[in-house]
Formats: sequence, structure tokens, C-alpha cells
Amino acid sequence: EIVLTQSPATLSLSPGERATLSCRASQSVSTSLAWYQQKPGQAPRLLIYDASNRATGIPARFSGSGSGTDFTLTISSLEPEDFAVYHCQERSAWPRITFGQGTRLEIK
Amino acid sequence: EVQLVESGGGLAQPGGSLRLSCTASGFTFSNYPMNWVRQAPGKGLECVSYISSGSRNMYYADSVKGRFTISRDNAKNSLYLQMNSLRAEDTAVYYCARGGPYGGSFYPDYWGQGTLVTVSS
Repeated sequence: EIVLTQSPATLSLSPGERATLSCRASQSVSTSLAWYQQKPGQAPRLLIYDASNRATGIPARFSGSGSGTDFTLTISSLEPEDFAVYHCQERSAWPRITFGQGTRLEIK
Repeated sequence: EVQLVESGGGLAQPGGSLRLSCTASGFTFSNYPMNWVRQAPGKGLECVSYISSGSRNMYYADSVKGRFTISRDNAKNSLYLQMNSLRAEDTAVYYCARGGPYGGSFYPDYWGQGTLVTVSS
């Protein structure tokens, strides 16, 4: 089973700053990786699929990169509504999918 | 607009049963695979079950295999999760999620708001 490890667990930044979130897989998942945003009391929202493709309606300030075992979600300039928990998810062995433990992005 | 609405959660005793439902609208339900994903309090997400669009293929996480059963009724635009032999560690918010087609495979793209299952005596 593939394990996804996200870092840091918590990231404290201010609006306007750049956020860089990491997701590392225990074995290669090629580019079969997605990122989700989850706000308190809400369902996850798909941001990025196949490592670097933005889902429909996702602002351009969100970008994803990486392949193999190391992936990054970058938010170029934080807006107040971006403070949330971010989850990575791999689908290399669909329908078995796994998620990371999440990174909490909080206001500094 | 795609909508997924879960129901059926609540309090169950250890060893008890619950049946979750998810009603879909805004898309052709019969064309999409579906997942149940849960989130225990303060924890990450776990996919517990999957069903293909025509119910031919199903998947269960090891943690629920033999206890949970996924099914769907495409005529009623509905997804179900029958949960038996419930344990305290099954306590979580349960989400249904659509398997959207991306890049030749699928990702859960639309999610319901979730239903809380609490297993406690």
C-alpha cells in the first residue's frame, strides 16, 4: 500500500505570501496525484489532478508540480479564503486510492 | 449543478448496523463510478469503498472488508453503504464522492456534505 506523507503538518503564513506544500509518496505514483482543499465543516474540493492540471474553476494562483514520489502544491499569493486544510491523494492503483494526512494552512 | 446528499448517519452501538444513502442530481448518475470516503474526527481521509457505474466492480478497504457492502440503484440515482458489525473506530463523517474522469482514469471530483456516524455504547 502506498503511503503519502505531507509536510509540514501546519503552515503559518500571511495573506499575499507564497505557500509551498509538499506530498511525498512511499513509491512512485507517476503523475497520478491530486490535491484537495477542505474548509471546516465542508467537503473536500478538487484543486489539481494528474499532479499539475487545475480542475474546473480553480484560480490560476494554485499550481501543482512533481512526478514519481515528490509533489508540490504552490499557492502563489494567498487570499483570505485559501486558509484551509489541503490533502494530497494518489490513484495509481484505482479504485484503491490513498490520501495524505493533510497540511493545515493557517493565518499567521 | 452536481449535488450529492448523504443521509442515514447517527448513533449506533458496537456490533450494530447502519445504512447510509447518497442521492445524486445534476449529472447522469449511471455513467459514473462512486466512492464512500470517511474522515474520523481530527484525522485524514480514507476511501472505504468503491463501485463502478454498472455495479460490476467493487472495492473495499481492508478495514471494512466483510462488514460493509456498497450498492447503487441507478434508476433512483442513489448510492448505499450497508455497515454491519460496527466498531468504535468506524466513527467518522462519511462522504459519498463521484469518480470523475480525468486523464484516462478517475478522481473523486464532487463530494457530498457528509453524514456523521458515531459508534458508541
